Amino acid sequence: DAGVTQSPTHLIKTRGQQVTLRCSPISGHKSVSWYQQVLGQGPQFIFQYYEKEERGRGNFPDRFSARQFPNYSSELNVNALLLGDSALYLCASSPWEGNNEQFFGPGTRLTVL
Amino acid sequence: SQQGEEDPQALSIQEGENATMNCSYKTSINNLQWYRQNSGRGLVHLILIRSNEREKHSGRLRVTLDTSKKSSSLLITASRAADTASYFCALMDTGRRALTFGSGTRLQVQP
Repeated sequence: DAGVTQSPTHLIKTRGQQVTLRCSPISGHKSVSWYQQVLGQGPQFIFQYYEKEERGRGNFPDRFSARQFPNYSSELNVNALLLGDSALYLCASSPWEGNNEQFFGPGTRLTVL
Repeated sequence: SQQGEEDPQALSIQEGENATMNCSYKTSINNLQWYRQNSGRGLVHLILIRSNEREKHSGRLRVTLDTSKKSSSLLITASRAADTASYFCALMDTGRRALTFGSGTRLQVQP
């Protein structure tokens, strides 16, 4: 079975631009979460979606938004990019929202110049 | 904060030696998890230990949990070069339905 997939693998943007990152969960998984990992630090929680509804939100500005589609795939959008948004963006899926174990994708490396 | 903090920040050992990493946290927990990350890629779940468990094994991994001291340790026995990675402990924030991670331990296993 395929694991969590994310696209694109790498992305370079300039300040002020907007970016959309995509995630496909493991087949049968209904919960998708997004994390930001700055170099040298652990991942930080951004959003969790379950059955197309936002179920949790981390301490990120409103420039960050996400949605989940009927097939349970998800998009993370970041507007008005800042240099500090440069990071590895990780998507994780789990079978249901209360499940503790998260299955992570390989991530999207975003560089903001 | 529910965030776990790993210790040491970095660890370098020879192949065949054991590696021990520690995690401390501040609040009560239902469970604690350990994840591995190879070179800036996705995280891989290693093991979950529940608050009513004291020790758990999985292959060459041994995890202990001391809820009175609010600490956990991950032991990798007979390490291999392929174990080179960053290791994170993670706590589940049930309110936000999110994992909170520490800064991790960077393990280097020299062949």
